Amino acid sequence: GESVGLHLPTLSVQEGDNSIINCAYSNSASDYFIWYKQESGKGPQFIIDIRSNMDKRQGQRVTVLLNKTVKHLSLQIAATQPGDSAVYFCAENSGGSNYKLTFGKGTLLTVNP
Amino acid sequence: DGGITQSPKYLFRKEGQNVTLSCEQNLNHDAMYWYRQDPGQGLRLIYYSQIVNDFQKGDIAEGYSVSREKKESFPLTVTSAQKNPTAFYLCASSRVTDTQYFGPGTRLTVL
Repeated sequence: GESVGLHLPTLSVQEGDNSIINCAYSNSASDYFIWYKQESGKGPQFIIDIRSNMDKRQGQRVTVLLNKTVKHLSLQIAATQPGDSAVYFCAENSGGSNYKLTFGKGTLLTVNP
Repeated sequence: DGGITQSPKYLFRKEGQNVTLSCEQNLNHDAMYWYRQDPGQGLRLIYYSQIVNDFQKGDIAEGYSVSREKKESFPLTVTSAQKNPTAFYLCASSRVTDTQYFGPGTRLTVL
């Protein structure tokens, strides 16, 4: 029979553009959020994190925005480069335990030169 | 050079065999974790350990076992009871209430 493909949301941008990747989280009690980058065949790499007492945090070329009202998290990447091409996913400490994170399925970012 | 190492990178298992995946860290982290990653799905927690000689089941512990005899090491055994073991396995570690950092992963395939 036909198999159902599991497709990730995708975002395709031109080199030099800014990228915005979104994540809806599930638990209003979550108070710690993390963005990871995962290249094909490799382990996830930490990008940036944010705690619920903040609504914005900046790193090198990346900014995370947290909107607790609508349970939404976004990752902004400035001046996107081909090396930024990867799957990006968010994680939340559902229920407040940092030992048990809930991970999103991810967004595939493709940067066109 | 600090970090998390996993071995082997690729592992092939025959049906009915148990296999053990290695995870070592030299970051002096107290907590260690094992996750399973399948295509198109979020990471799922298999087991975690907050401290030496203690570990807890995660969301999908059936068919897996772990030990934590040393702070640096958290091996995962995939037993023959795990009916669908083909996946990418990721080990992570963290300080007690801090970010989890991941190793490079082991890809397990059942022949």
